[in-house]
Amino acid sequence: QVQLVQSGAEVKKPGASVKVSCKVSGYTLTELSMHWVRQAPGKGLEWMGGFDPEDGETIYAQKFQGRVTMTEDTSTDTAYMELSSLRSEDTAVYYCATPIGGGAFDIWGQGTMVTVSS
Amino acid sequence: DIQMTQSPSTLSASVGDRVTITCRASQSISSWLAWYQQKPGKAPKLLIYKASSLESGVPSRFSGSGSGTEFTLTISSLQPDDFATYYCQQYNSYPITFGQGTRLEIK
Repeated sequence: QVQLVQSGAEVKKPGASVKVSCKVSGYTLTELSMHWVRQAPGKGLEWMGGFDPEDGETIYAQKFQGRVTMTEDTSTDTAYMELSSLRSEDTAVYYCATPIGGGAFDIWGQGTMVTVSS
Repeated sequence: DIQMTQSPSTLSASVGDRVTITCRASQSISSWLAWYQQKPGKAPKLLIYKASSLESGVPSRFSGSGSGTEFTLTISSLQPDDFATYYCQQYNSYPITFGQGTRLEIK
């Protein structure tokens, strides 16, 4: 059974970077296509990017291009999402999620709260 | 980008009611649509994929229909555990996009 366990809450100052981790168990990371979704307080879900297995590349939402980097460490089955140049609007819960069955996100991490405040 | 529009934004209903939530895509997404349920402080939970396929373990009172640009999520008989926020999501093409959400509250 696949589980995604994310790193703990972070508090960052504007302009800093944050790196959130997502540890996979029950599968190896190479068997999965990891995506990242965020949710600002009281707001909806926003896809940030993820791995496209058809192209073998990571695709980023245009809104985050140049500020986000998604990486993987296959030796530890851990995925990472790093967001730089943080601003207050980046305060949100960040989720990793993966489609096991194909397409829709059937497995989600528990979420990581990132607070950006001076 | 494909825009996903849900209606209504808020829905008040009672236990036992039959409710329907609609999701419209700004262009055809075939059947590449999912529905999620989210409760406060929790990650979203997949209910329906490929427009009408019920995720394993999800009660049969949930059903999905539609194709192209118009989709619906129906709950046949609301249970107390169903009061939550529901999101549609298209995964036909990148960027993946979500609807703005429908909050289902107790009348």
